Formats: sequence, structure tokens, C-alpha cells
Amino acid sequence: GAGVSQSPSNKVTEKGKDVELRCDPISGHTALYWYRQSLGQGLEFLIYFQGNSAPDKSGLPSDRFSAERTGGSVSTLTIQRTQQEDSAVYLCASSLRGQGGIQYFGAGTRLSVL
Amino acid sequence: LAKTTQPISMDSYEGQEVNITCSHNNIATNDYITWYQQFPSQGPRFIIQGYKTKVTNEVASLFIPADRKSSTLSLPRVSLSDTAVYYCLVGDRGSTLGRLYFGRGTQLTVWP
Repeated sequence: GAGVSQSPSNKVTEKGKDVELRCDPISGHTALYWYRQSLGQGLEFLIYFQGNSAPDKSGLPSDRFSAERTGGSVSTLTIQRTQQEDSAVYLCASSLRGQGGIQYFGAGTRLSVL
Repeated sequence: LAKTTQPISMDSYEGQEVNITCSHNNIATNDYITWYQQFPSQGPRFIIQGYKTKVTNEVASLFIPADRKSSTLSLPRVSLSDTAVYYCLVGDRGSTLGRLYFGRGTQLTVWP
């Protein structure tokens, strides 16, 4: 596709349920990033992939959060046993290798945990 | 990574030039300065990147003084559609650490 695609655009779930968020990066971009943005806040880094490897997972807030990337393309962010504080917009970005200062973002998935 | 400081908010009117200044006193020799724009319900969008002096593209200009401890994003003749949050980031161009550090940004509001 022409840009970074994220799905679903909106997700409402009940506390304690698991959710999966999907990111389809720009074709040819080897680097992929996940961020989280709470209302009125800046972006919080979660995890970074180079190819299928995740050299930096330090931003994941707890062991309920995990992410994987397969085939050097699509990535899935999974949140297990969701909590109300997980409610936020989850943003995915991709970049060319060695050009991590210029990231291209998707529109995000707005997660609401009731 | 160098910390940045920028105003929380700015107001302007249509047709005016807007200058948003960012301070980054601890910028390192290898660091570049990058600005992003974010509209409501959208992800941030890359605007411009520079290392020193002046960079201009179709959207904005970036002015960087010789000491590189600050930078100014200049938006010529703003319109209502320029209302957005603008983020200043400083880091290695390749960002080999992966992450970008976004602060709270500057909320620019353009009035008719």
C-alpha cells in the first residue's frame, strides 16, 4: 500500500479480554515501530523491529504486552488481560533501514477498555 | 538523547508567518533536528529535517544557528488547516536506537 495501514481503527473491549492490533508497513521498510499515545499526551515508545527481530523491547509497559513481526512485514501487537489504563491510541510507524529519524506513521488504533 | 523544550501552545491568524522555536542545549555532534506535525486522530507526519544553517521544502523552513542549541520551524502564510501539534525531535539521523522521543509538542491554533 501507499502508506502504513493499521487495523482495526477502533477497538472497544472489556477489561480482562485480549486484543490484537495489526500494522502493515510501507513496502520495503525494514524498520517498524509501535508507540502509544494517551489523550493529550506525547507519544510513548513501545517496541522497535528491524526485520523480524526486536532489538529494543524496553518500552513495553508490562508482560501483558507482546509483539511479533513475520516475513519482515506485518506486525501484531497483543495486549493480554486488558486493563482500563491500556486505553489509548496505538500508533505504528515504519522507516527505511538507517533512516529511523524519518518515520511514517499510520492513523492508529483507538483502544477503549471498559 | 538530547532533550528538547518548546512552547506548549501558540496562536496565529490566517496568512501570518509562524515561527516555533525549540531549545536543545545538549545536542550532540551527530544529532539531526527533525520536526513532525500531528493532526487530531492521525499519526505524526514528518515535515522537515536539518543539521545546520537553513533547510527549506514545500511545507516549511528550518533555521538552525551556528551553535545548534536551538532551531526554529517557520511556516509561511498559515491557513486554518495548519492547526496541529508540532513536535521537535533531536537525535541521530539513522536513529539506530530505534525510538523517537516525542515531547508534548506545540499546539498551534490558527484563527480566521
